Amino acid sequence: DAGVIQSPRHEVTEMGQEVTLRCKPISGHDYLFWYRQTMMRGLELLIYFNNNVPIDDSGMPEDRFSAKMPNASFSTLKIQPSEPRDSAVYFCASSLQRGTDTQYFGPGTRLTVL
Amino acid sequence: AQSVTQLGSHVSVSEGALVLLRCNYSSSVPPYLFWYVQYPNQGLQLLLKYTTGATLVKGINGFEAEFKKSETSFHLTKPSAHMSDAAEYFCAVSDQGGSYIPTFGRGTSLIVHP
Repeated sequence: DAGVIQSPRHEVTEMGQEVTLRCKPISGHDYLFWYRQTMMRGLELLIYFNNNVPIDDSGMPEDRFSAKMPNASFSTLKIQPSEPRDSAVYFCASSLQRGTDTQYFGPGTRLTVL
Repeated sequence: AQSVTQLGSHVSVSEGALVLLRCNYSSSVPPYLFWYVQYPNQGLQLLLKYTTGATLVKGINGFEAEFKKSETSFHLTKPSAHMSDAAEYFCAVSDQGGSYIPTFGRGTSLIVHP
């Protein structure tokens, strides 16, 4: 398996623009997680899905953020409109189950909002 | 509610010296415990995990950690540091009585001097 795939790897955009980050989890994994990593706040869980259904989105910072998982092999995280404080590295991770199972992280998308 | 404290945002050691990265957790029920490593410009990957059984857990690259319930600790050690160990290390705890979704610490940056 190729592991968790994220695209794009780098995104530079201007304030006010819409940004869409993409993730393909490992095949057969039932859980998908979106994280944000910054120097100030560390690694934050934004939202997670189980079998394509959003379970907990309490980490999503504002209504400008939305996430979808239309099928088992694809998820998106959208920011509209983007702001400079959204600049961060966004990770997608997947796991077979919750709890004891390892989370497999993608390489991340480095987002810069000017 | 579960939480994780990693003592020291940066740890500096000489090549060949002992590595000790500290992790303390709070959990109302027996936890599952993890250490992840993040190399520059990469996602996190699992080093080792404790779920049940033997409290001394061995992981990849010569790392090991010991679950000490009385001290609520899960410190990571390696007898002899190598330059390639320079990375960010994250401790995580998953609460069996809660959502089972891991909570990550703020991370510790390991610096290895030649």
